[in-house]
Amino acid sequence: DQQVKQNSPSLSVQEGRISILNCDYTNSMFDYFLWYKKYPAEGPTFLISISSIKDKNEDGRFTVFLNKSAKHLSLHIVPSQPGDSAVYFCAARRGGGSEKLVFGKGTKLTVNP
Amino acid sequence: SAVISQKPSRDICQRGTSLTIQCQVDSQVTMMFWYRQQPGQSLTLIATANQGSEATYESGFVIDKFPISRPNLTFSTLTVSNMSPEDSSIYLCSVEELGGYNEQFFGPGTRLTVL
Repeated sequence: DQQVKQNSPSLSVQEGRISILNCDYTNSMFDYFLWYKKYPAEGPTFLISISSIKDKNEDGRFTVFLNKSAKHLSLHIVPSQPGDSAVYFCAARRGGGSEKLVFGKGTKLTVNP
Repeated sequence: SAVISQKPSRDICQRGTSLTIQCQVDSQVTMMFWYRQQPGQSLTLIATANQGSEATYESGFVIDKFPISRPNLTFSTLTVSNMSPEDSSIYLCSVEELGGYNEQFFGPGTRLTVL
């Protein structure tokens, strides 16, 4: 049972345009959501997160939107740059600390110059 | 954020042997975790490494196969025992910092190939 789903294994966008990566979850107990970026041969790097009490969190070019009723979140990258090309993982956890992260399978983003 | 290193970065091992992976953090952390990423798959939590007590294993993972040590707040090891080709994966250590808020930070990973 996959509790966090990233249904698009890959996404290709043009440099300067918007990249939108989507993530769905099934467990209504999740209340904290994170996005990680992973380059080949490196560990995942924390990118941005959002608590369930919010519906939007912004950090520079990266914005995460949360729609709790739809159990859906998305990561927007504007403008996209070739250096953003990586695999992006969505992760979720239940409340408080010490709860495990549950990851999606990832979406490979390619930003073309 | 904490700086995390792992040794070895990669290894090729023979079936039936064991490999111990080390994870070193440059600051004291409350929680340390071990993940596995099989080819084309997501990151799957193997266990939580508890300082001063036995590790807590996720369903499908057992101590005999993946013994873990955590002697202090900055270091942990994961051993992959009696390896088979199905154990070929990237093994990742992650930490949650003291006073941190929900984010986990990952080491660079150990790429293991079992022949």
